[in-house]
Amino acid sequence: GQQLNQSPQSMFIQEGEDVSMNCTSSSIFNTWLWYKQDPGEGPVLLIALYKAGELTSNGRLTAQFGITRKDSFLNISASIPSDVGIYFCAGQLNYGGATNKLIFGTGTLLAVQP
Amino acid sequence: EAQVTQNPRYLITVTGKKLTVTCSQNMNHEYMSWYRQDPGLGLRQIYYSMNVEVTDKGDVPEGYKVSRKEKRNFPLILESPSPNQTSLYFCASRGRRNEKLFFGSGTQLSVL
Repeated sequence: GQQLNQSPQSMFIQEGEDVSMNCTSSSIFNTWLWYKQDPGEGPVLLIALYKAGELTSNGRLTAQFGITRKDSFLNISASIPSDVGIYFCAGQLNYGGATNKLIFGTGTLLAVQP
Repeated sequence: EAQVTQNPRYLITVTGKKLTVTCSQNMNHEYMSWYRQDPGLGLRQIYYSMNVEVTDKGDVPEGYKVSRKEKRNFPLILESPSPNQTSLYFCASRGRRNEKLFFGSGTQLSVL
């Protein structure tokens, strides 16, 4: 099955640093989503992007829908220890209704040193 | 509280011993899905269901079965587990027109 290439695979940073990660695909998507998985929990939706070029923020998080519709970026500013977790991108082609399928990236593991 | 509940959270079993992982959601969602998470591979879809009695294969369905007899429940069945099915499993659900997937807390399965 199709997968998205997500990088970096892991990041180990100091508290207060900014973080950038990205996701690329050989296919275009109509929607890009970013999820965060806390240790021992399931993924939770952070940001949803619906339009090429769109830039959306959620607190210290900012995500962008690439112009080519084949990539997306997530930035975290001034990281804090609770940002620790695995971040997943997901692309979706909207066929309408319940048939929409999400393709997930391989994940970025973020560790934040206090 | 809106949630997806999976049981058990942890399971250790032996090769060939049939097992079932249960999944239940209380949000009246039509769509439910099972994923497995493996290091470096992200989340891969096993099976999904668009509604009661409607199920279909995802990307990695081999060795798994599902059923959807009721809207709220979507159990994952491993008839004859093998060590390569050792993984972290997630159940998820969403409404018909809503792309936001709600995930369960996961089931860590080890097959010896």
